[in-house]
Amino acid sequence: QQQVKQSPQSLIVQKGGISIINCAYENTAFDYFPWYQQFPGKGPALLIAIRPDVSEKKEGRFTISFNKSAKQFSLHIMDSQPGDSATYFCAASPSNTGKLIFGQGTTLQVKP
Amino acid sequence: DAGVTQSPTHLIKTRGQQVTLRCSPISGHKSVSWYQQVLGQGPQFIFQYYEKEERGRGNFPDRFSARQFPNYSSELNVNALLLGDSALYLCASSLRTGDSGANVLTFGAGSRLTVL
Repeated sequence: QQQVKQSPQSLIVQKGGISIINCAYENTAFDYFPWYQQFPGKGPALLIAIRPDVSEKKEGRFTISFNKSAKQFSLHIMDSQPGDSATYFCAASPSNTGKLIFGQGTTLQVKP
Repeated sequence: DAGVTQSPTHLIKTRGQQVTLRCSPISGHKSVSWYQQVLGQGPQFIFQYYEKEERGRGNFPDRFSARQFPNYSSELNVNALLLGDSALYLCASSLRTGDSGANVLTFGAGSRLTVL
């Protein structure tokens, strides 16, 4: 049973545009929601993460929006750049376990 | 500072063989987790070890086993390889487990296993 659903599967955005990736989860025991960025041939790298006590977290051009009642969270990439072209994974984790449940991934292409 | 290091980076095996993958965590990190990433999918949790003890196991058959050594490095073993075991095997380390620091994982570049 897939516990974290991610959409869209792929996304094409023009340089300077906003990229939005959405995730939904089912398990209310999840309390840590990170986003990872993965380039071909590399391991996933932590981009930004949020805990459910806040509704939004911003780090540079990257923002997580979190809706606890809807059990949804999203990644917004402002002023998208060609260097942002990568695969993005959302994930969720039960409290303090270190076990991450990943979404299926979104391949982002930013066109110059 | 060195990140999470994994070896080998690539390897090819045939069905029925056995494979051992190795991981060295970030210095000071005591918890190591293993994930399997099949092409086009998100990583799937296999094991977590902390202080040489297994702290979590994902939905994988008994052909998969792991251990952690006193220096916190870890090995993942897969016996009786199947074609479906072809994947990128990722190791991740974290400072500790059991509190908010447990969730913050740093991944290595992975070991790409191809089973023919």
